[in-house]
Amino acid sequence: DTGVSQDPRHKITKRGQNVTFRCDPISEHNRLYWYRQTLGQGPEFLTYFQNEAQLEKSRLLSDRFSAERPKGSFSTLEIQRTEQGDSAMYLCASSTKGTSGSNEQFFGPGTRLTVL
Amino acid sequence: GQSLEQPSEVTAVEGAIVQINCTYQTSGFYGLSWYQQHDGGAPTFLSYNGLDGLEETGRFSSFLSRSDSYGYLLLQELQMKDSASYFCAVRGSPVAGGSYIPTFGRGTSLIVHP
Repeated sequence: DTGVSQDPRHKITKRGQNVTFRCDPISEHNRLYWYRQTLGQGPEFLTYFQNEAQLEKSRLLSDRFSAERPKGSFSTLEIQRTEQGDSAMYLCASSTKGTSGSNEQFFGPGTRLTVL
Repeated sequence: GQSLEQPSEVTAVEGAIVQINCTYQTSGFYGLSWYQQHDGGAPTFLSYNGLDGLEETGRFSSFLSRSDSYGYLLLQELQMKDSASYFCAVRGSPVAGGSYIPTFGRGTSLIVHP
């Protein structure tokens, strides 16, 4: 296992279409995070899973966004009825559950979404 | 909520030392992390401070003062490959009403000149 992987790396879609992204975390990591990043900004938190449970979701997250992690391994992020404002890099990160310390997050390469 | 402030851009020459500052606001404090991101790449973890003081990892060091809600990343012996964006990220304490989830700053673009 070489790290967090995401698929696809790039997605171009038309406004109004649905898109789904996949994230495969590092296998022994039980925590998984989705972030969105736009040019010149830091990663913005979207949602967080511990194993298969979705424990936290950003209050800024539209109900067009949904995420799952059905078996506590890979995760999917779906955006319904995409809008041009959804164009961004979608980053997935994973970490282990630690009792203390950094809980260093390992990021995947991201999926760049362009909504036309 | 949690928020951070860091300079938008810093420039330096190869071989120099540069300091990137970060001030934060959070409800309860758990830790401050630093990440590096090259253009088109993913953020990669550099350093973490949970307690006051200096943490050193090779050419990179990070400092934290919890009483001042302030930290910095120190990069020594700068190399061209250090040109990248650097993000500080703060985690709050849920017990104190903060969020355990890291909140990232807007990033500091470091430009290293020959």
